[in-house]
Amino acid sequence: AQSVTQLDSHVSVSEGTPVLLRCNYSSSYSPSLFWYVQHPNKGLQLLLKYTSAATLVKGINGFEAEFKKSETSFHLTKPSAHMSDAAEYFCVVRSYSGAGSYQLTFGKGTKLSVIP
Amino acid sequence: KAGVTQTPRYLIKTRGQQVTLSCSPISGHRSVSWYQQTPGQGLQFLFEYFSETQRNKGNFPGRFSGRQFSNSRSEMNVSTLELGDSALYLCASSWSGDGAYEQYFGPGTRLTVT
Repeated sequence: AQSVTQLDSHVSVSEGTPVLLRCNYSSSYSPSLFWYVQHPNKGLQLLLKYTSAATLVKGINGFEAEFKKSETSFHLTKPSAHMSDAAEYFCVVRSYSGAGSYQLTFGKGTKLSVIP
Repeated sequence: KAGVTQTPRYLIKTRGQQVTLSCSPISGHRSVSWYQQTPGQGLQFLFEYFSETQRNKGNFPGRFSGRQFSNSRSEMNVSTLELGDSALYLCASSWSGDGAYEQYFGPGTRLTVT
């Protein structure tokens, strides 16, 4: 069974400082991992994805994540936070459910606050 | 290309009633998945439809059902509503649902059960 643990439910940073959102996963085989962002009253937007290519994945809006198999981690980082980054972030693992179907399992989410 | 659309955006229902939510996927996408988002349980997978067939189902009671039409539009139905069904229901579409696909999410329908 696949599972995702986001280690912090809430992270607060000052504008212009680095962002680190932590995610550990559990998977019985090589996983596909994603980070999604959800702004208030909006749907989810894909930030980046790891699908067994390069371990350092670059996404939109300056975000990137590094897949570390030995640590079963997929932490999301950004060098400099912007006010518009304030949102909830979800780490997601994709698993095969059979019959050609894949299922996304979401972490509980990390709410990022950016202080001016 | 237009994104995933969901209607209605907001809905208030009474316990015991039933409700139908609609999702129109991105043009050309054949897979539609539904998720329930609540503060307590987070985001949970409900079911996935592909080419009018339910291909996968999450761990929800039979009161939750869905269907997909030939144009890939999907509806989700909840019968005998309970207070705990109050949630944001998200629909996501993808091209085929296999391999290295991406799911594109709609804005959701916020259902309140009183």
